[in-house]
Amino acid sequence: EVQLVESGGGLVKPGGSLRLSCAASGFTFSSYSMNWVRQAPGKGLEWVSSISSSSSYIYYADSVKGRFTISRDNAKNSLYLQMNSLRAEDTAVYYCARDGATVTAFDYWGQGTLVTVSS
Amino acid sequence: QSALTQPASVSGSPGQSITISCTGTSSDVGSYNLVSWYQQHPGKAPKLMIYEGSKRPSGVSNRFSGSKSGNTASLTISGLQAEDEADYYCCSYAGSSTFYVVFGGGTKLTVL
Repeated sequence: EVQLVESGGGLVKPGGSLRLSCAASGFTFSSYSMNWVRQAPGKGLEWVSSISSSSSYIYYADSVKGRFTISRDNAKNSLYLQMNSLRAEDTAVYYCARDGATVTAFDYWGQGTLVTVSS
Repeated sequence: QSALTQPASVSGSPGQSITISCTGTSSDVGSYNLVSWYQQHPGKAPKLMIYEGSKRPSGVSNRFSGSKSGNTASLTISGLQAEDEADYYCCSYAGSSTFYVVFGGGTKLTVL
């Protein structure tokens, strides 16, 4: 059974940093591109970042470029999101999601981890 | 890149059919056959319902179907059931000059 479990969320002050993790199991993690998607409270979904299976290709949404860094450790079956210079507008539930058959076909999602940026 | 445009809400009675539209541009929906649709129940993670415009993942009911015409994609749900009440989001690849993914603002489906 495919499982994605996020962790690392919490309350952080504006300008602070946080590192999110996503532990994967039930599939060959090293064969799939992975993504972070976020959802602000009461709002819609927003793509944040994508990373290819071997980390050769990395992409970011304009809203987080230069502040967030996506990475992965295939030996540990884990995906990460390092978030720096956090702003109030980064407050959201952050989901990790696996690329399915094609780009934008996010076929498995974690349960999400809440990041709250507030003083 | 701008978010795709969806109606804020749609409604229908059990057994009826409804269609949710998703309007983009020639830089996203109109250029790629890479539109997907997600269902999200309150407090839950999104679930993939349609990918590549019209394909259904294994396990998704054939009451859900997708299509595209020009810059607008559509999700149709036939034979509405109470459990279909949820938020629905469209998503498209939008990478004309670099890799990019955009979502729609979401549509709240109410089953009357």
